[in-house]
Amino acid sequence: EVQLVESGGGLVQPGGSLRVSCAASGFTFSNYWMHWVRQAPGKGLVWVSRMNSDGSSISYADSVKGRFSISRDNVKNTLYLQMDSLRAEDTAVYYCARDGYSYGFGAFDYWGQGTMVTVSS
Amino acid sequence: QSALTQPASVSGSPGQSITISCTGTSSDVGSYNRVSWYQQSPGKAPKLTIFDVSNRPSGVSNRFSGSKSANTASLTISGLQAEDEADYYCSSYTNSSTLGFGTGTRVTVL
Repeated sequence: EVQLVESGGGLVQPGGSLRVSCAASGFTFSNYWMHWVRQAPGKGLVWVSRMNSDGSSISYADSVKGRFSISRDNVKNTLYLQMDSLRAEDTAVYYCARDGYSYGFGAFDYWGQGTMVTVSS
Repeated sequence: QSALTQPASVSGSPGQSITISCTGTSSDVGSYNRVSWYQQSPGKAPKLTIFDVSNRPSGVSNRFSGSKSANTASLTISGLQAEDEADYYCSSYTNSSTLGFGTGTRVTVL
């Protein structure tokens, strides 16, 4: 069974840093593009970042470029999102998602349950 | 990176068909057949419903169908059922090698 389990969320002050993780199981993690998507409370989905299977291709949304960094460990089957210089508007549930059908073009067939990140003083 | 435009809400009676539009630009929807649709129930993660404009993942009801014309993609739900009540989001690949989601549509079954 495919599973994606996020962790590492929490409360952080503006300007602070946090790293969230996504542990994958039930499939060959190293074969898939992976993405981060966030959703602020009561708001819509927003794409954050993507990484290809071997980590050689990365993209970011303009809103996080220069502040967030995506990475992966294909031995530990884990995807990461390092978030620096956090702002109040980064407050959201952060989901990791597998790109199951389209090699990076955004067809997310499996999602984690999400981890909440709250940026507040 | 502007969000794709969707109607805020669409409603229909059981058994009816409804269509949700997703309007982008020539930089995203109009240039790529990489449009997906997601269904999200309250408190749950989104569920892939349509990918690559009109393809249904295994296990998704054939009551869901997708299409595209120029800069606008559409999701049609036929034979509307109470279980279809949820939020729906479109997404598209863009010419900046990024992805964009739609503003979201709340579907209500009357």
